[in-house]
Amino acid sequence: NAGVTQTPKFQVLKTGQSMTLQCAQDMNHEYMSWYRQDPGMGLRLIHYSVGAGITDQGEVPNGYNVSRSTTEDFPLRLLSAAPSQTSVYFCASSSRRVRGPGELFFGEGSRLTVL
Amino acid sequence: ILNVEQSPQSLHVQEGDSTNFTCSFPSSNFYALHWYRWETAKSPEALFVMTLNGDEKKKGRISATLNTKEGYSYLYIKGSQPEDSATYLCAQNTGNQFYFGTGTSLTVIP
Repeated sequence: NAGVTQTPKFQVLKTGQSMTLQCAQDMNHEYMSWYRQDPGMGLRLIHYSVGAGITDQGEVPNGYNVSRSTTEDFPLRLLSAAPSQTSVYFCASSSRRVRGPGELFFGEGSRLTVL
Repeated sequence: ILNVEQSPQSLHVQEGDSTNFTCSFPSSNFYALHWYRWETAKSPEALFVMTLNGDEKKKGRISATLNTKEGYSYLYIKGSQPEDSATYLCAQNTGNQFYFGTGTSLTVIP
């Protein structure tokens, strides 16, 4: 049972380069989301989606784009990487409930370094 | 942006001790309070999702309570074991958005 799969696990970029972090889930979850983890801070929501074709901004969306063309996939794009985007990124998915998403299922994380 | 706070930041206990942590959150726009356990080199895993004031949840030696009126939740671990060593995260859900605390790092000394 794969759950939530993130790729790549590690990536080094130069300032200004672009890249896409991939996230796929096989649990038919409607809700998917991206977080960044920085030292001394809690997980911060970047973008989320409540279904195919529907995305919205979280707490720290600047510098990131997302799209949701299928239920399974929710890629996160960095169009022009900056050193401030050096972080560990987590994708998480959940089924929908009456009062918002249920428990989040997290991927293993992607460590990104921008030089 | 909501401010979710957890205390203490870290905790060292002896094997067999019972312990508890606190999660404080704004009472406004409350949908649910989540607790996650995060072991080193792994991903966070859900412990509890609580929605109603007065909720109490239990999973083995771990339990949690929720007070939405005053904006806090407690996580209790009874008879701590070395395998309980992890960071415990809480998060407030306000609909489609989640706001996480910085976590409580628990080390259980054998």
